[in-house]
Amino acid sequence: GAGVSQTPSNKVTEKGKYVELRCDPISGHTALYWYRQSLGQGPEFLIYFQGTGAADDSGLPNDRFFAVRPEGSVSTLKIQRTERGDSAVYLCASSLTPPGDPYNEQFFGPGTRLTVL
Amino acid sequence: GENVGLHLPTLSVQEGDNSIINCAYSNSASDYFIWYKQESGKGPQFIIDIRSNMDKRQGQRVTVLLNKTVKHLSLQIAATQPGDSAVYFCAETSIYFGNEKLTFGTGTRLTIIP
Repeated sequence: GAGVSQTPSNKVTEKGKYVELRCDPISGHTALYWYRQSLGQGPEFLIYFQGTGAADDSGLPNDRFFAVRPEGSVSTLKIQRTERGDSAVYLCASSLTPPGDPYNEQFFGPGTRLTVL
Repeated sequence: GENVGLHLPTLSVQEGDNSIINCAYSNSASDYFIWYKQESGKGPQFIIDIRSNMDKRQGQRVTVLLNKTVKHLSLQIAATQPGDSAVYFCAETSIYFGNEKLTFGTGTRLTIIP
């Protein structure tokens, strides 16, 4: 498909476990964003990648959260020692960053719904 | 599917009528604003955007109005259809933030009554 894909679509885990959430951006998109959406809220920024590097991780809530994008395409959001408060939908978005046009549409994936029991 | 926005402000509109969704944004330094539509179980979908050097922009059946003085944004949807039922979010950003990370508003659930 041509859109952003995320796997798994649903993840149920137990408190204290480790989880990995995967994002496949649109081919050729250099910018990648992770957001978290709690029930009844708008998405909240977590981390931004430009290429392989995390250019802004100011939205990560604590050091249990980490994300990588080793080859500048697929990204993985990793959550250690999950807590019930981590339950949310985790959204990934990607965009082009061509020179000369600073505002680029972010295309969102369908999200991964994480439930921590 | 995912239930998005169970406790959001709601707006119900008769099919065929026009709807207006309002949003107050937070950062006076923001200079780019976007409206997103989110259906249950899906990610946000771009509807229309506007830059701060404009106060109005029109698309197909949608119009966005920007009032920078009071930091207010609105989305007008004309001749609403059942497929317009969704949660609508405004989002703000600025290239001067260092990247284009979006700050979303709380959202409004729009229900179109057939």
